[in-house]
Amino acid sequence: EVQLVQSGAEVKKPGESLKISCKGSGYSFTSYWIGWVRQMPGKGLEWMGIIYPGDSDTRYSPSFQGQVTISADKSISTAYLQWSSLKASDTAMYYCARLFAYSSSWYFDYWGQGTLVTVSS
Amino acid sequence: DIQMTQSPSSVSASVGDRVTITCRASQGISSWLAWYQQKPGKAPKLLIYAASSLQSGVPSRFSGSGSGTDFTLTISSLQPEDFATYYCQQANSFLALTFGGGTKVEIK
Repeated sequence: EVQLVQSGAEVKKPGESLKISCKGSGYSFTSYWIGWVRQMPGKGLEWMGIIYPGDSDTRYSPSFQGQVTISADKSISTAYLQWSSLKASDTAMYYCARLFAYSSSWYFDYWGQGTLVTVSS
Repeated sequence: DIQMTQSPSSVSASVGDRVTITCRASQGISSWLAWYQQKPGKAPKLLIYAASSLQSGVPSRFSGSGSGTDFTLTISSLQPEDFATYYCQQANSFLALTFGGGTKVEIK
């Protein structure tokens, strides 16, 4: 069974750093892109970026380029999303999701349970 | 960037009703569109990919259609478990997997 299990909720202060994780199991972790999606409170879904754990090729949405860093450790089947200096506006639920390819198009077929990040002084 | 616009933003309907949600892309995306369902406090779930292909395990009352810039998601007979928010996502550009703003299906 394909599973993506994310790390637990975090409460941080503005300016602090943070790294959240997403561990894949039940499939070949190095063979599928993993994406991160933000959902701010009461709002819609925003694609942040994707990584191919096989070679760590990473692509970012222009809206998030320079704001976050996506990485992966294929030896432990885990992808990461990190911030070097959090802002209150980073408060959101963050989802990781597996991308599957269908005839040159791309879809998120399995999702993690989400990690709630709260940034408040 | 391709923009995805959903309408309506919310719809009130009763159990058994036929519900149709529309998604429009700012430029043509062939048939490369997905629909997701999200219930409160839960992760999104893929319902339909490639505009009309039903994801495994999704009930047949869900269907999708369209190509180019205009797409629809139809629920043929709304069930209690279908009250949720629905999102479209363009899948044409690997580097910009944009979502629509969402449509909330509420109980009338």
